[in-house]
Amino acid sequence: GAVVSQHPSWVICKSGTSVKIECRSLDFQATTMFWYRQFPKQSLMLMATSNEGSKATYEQGVEKDKFLINHASLTLSTLTVTSAHPEDSSFYICSARLGQGVEEQFFGPGTRLTVL
Amino acid sequence: GQNIDQPTEMTATEGAIVQINCTYQTSGFNGLFWYQQHAGEAPTFLSYNVLDGLEEKGRFSSFLSRSKGYSYLLLKELQMKDSASYLCAVMDSNYQLIWGAGTKLIIKP
Repeated sequence: GAVVSQHPSWVICKSGTSVKIECRSLDFQATTMFWYRQFPKQSLMLMATSNEGSKATYEQGVEKDKFLINHASLTLSTLTVTSAHPEDSSFYICSARLGQGVEEQFFGPGTRLTVL
Repeated sequence: GQNIDQPTEMTATEGAIVQINCTYQTSGFNGLFWYQQHAGEAPTFLSYNVLDGLEEKGRFSSFLSRSKGYSYLLLKELQMKDSASYLCAVMDSNYQLIWGAGTKLIIKP
């Protein structure tokens, strides 16, 4: 099956700093990548959808200036949490899809962010 | 609006059978997915249904009724490792996944 990696697996940072999370599709080219956030005991919340070479589409309520997404190639998307605050502490998960239609999303292992 | 409903938590006994239900109301339908998520890990794909009926895959089966907006995931011969959250997700007319809140399944010896 298709493999998606994320780096780092976990990160602890001070309030006010920025954190970059990478999502890579290792053995396929991902036309579309998704970024999710998951708080404890809650379901996945889609933050944004990014297509290679174009601007990300953010879900309502997600600040695009705070959560910067770059999808520069078919195998790499990055999420940068700028000026992180304790309330941004969460489990961030990316997923990748081959095409635009009905296809399974392959999930990365997730990144646990803790902001002190 | 779009809505996915599934029970918050279920408990079952090792070796038994459990059925996790999911009802949905979405703008369009391009299939229903079931994912398994262990605590602290990312979801893993279990099944995909787009036509009515039952899809069987080993100990896991998934059923869909599009007219009723209803699906269930059936787990047989439960094992302790099946303790996890099970997420129901529907792909809408824009090929976006709409996620349920997940059902936490607790398996007891």
